[in-house]
Amino acid sequence: QTVVTQEPSFSVSPGGTVTLTCGLSSGSVSTSYYPSWYQQTPGQAPRPLIYTTNIRSSGVPDRFSGSILGNKAALTITGAQADDESHYYCALYLGSGISMFGGGTKVTVL
Amino acid sequence: QVLLVESGGGVVQPGGSLRLSCAASGFTFSTYGMHWVRQAPGKGLEWVALISNDGSNKYYADSVKGRFTISRDNSWDTVYLQMNSLRGDDTAVYYCVKDAGDWGQGTLVTVSS
Repeated sequence: QTVVTQEPSFSVSPGGTVTLTCGLSSGSVSTSYYPSWYQQTPGQAPRPLIYTTNIRSSGVPDRFSGSILGNKAALTITGAQADDESHYYCALYLGSGISMFGGGTKVTVL
Repeated sequence: QVLLVESGGGVVQPGGSLRLSCAASGFTFSTYGMHWVRQAPGKGLEWVALISNDGSNKYYADSVKGRFTISRDNSWDTVYLQMNSLRGDDTAVYYCVKDAGDWGQGTLVTVSS
């Protein structure tokens, strides 16, 4: 049973940088998994941030960037702002039409 | 601009059925695959199903395979999710999602007696 792994939580100072990761319970994440990232605040629908590893969705500020770091996909927030405090989810394409989300990371800005 | 509007949610008894609809506008619907993603109360996101742009290919999460059916009508720019044999753990907000793109606001499905 494949599991997509994310850190449960992270704290970052205003103006700081934080890198969230997205891994697999077995194996390495590569661009072939087309990693995508979503931001969700309570009561709202998820907002797409990044797709296909590092392409920002329309209107997403460039302080959000996606990459592959080692054997995981990564989302880096540079110059964190108060309104970046949210849950962040990654998704991986596992092949044969199947996708899977990670459990999400709660980011606190303080 | 892209707009995805889900409808059809509500309260249904265990074992019952419900059909969700998602009306799309603001893009060329027939050129995009469409997904359904759900989120149980207080929980994370769960991918449910994908249909290809022309409807010829359909894929499902193991948790819904054999019970849910995704379909689309490119004449009406609408994607559907037929949900049968519903269980308590199907209770969730169901989102319609454009491939590599926008999300709807979701519709709540509650399975309860």
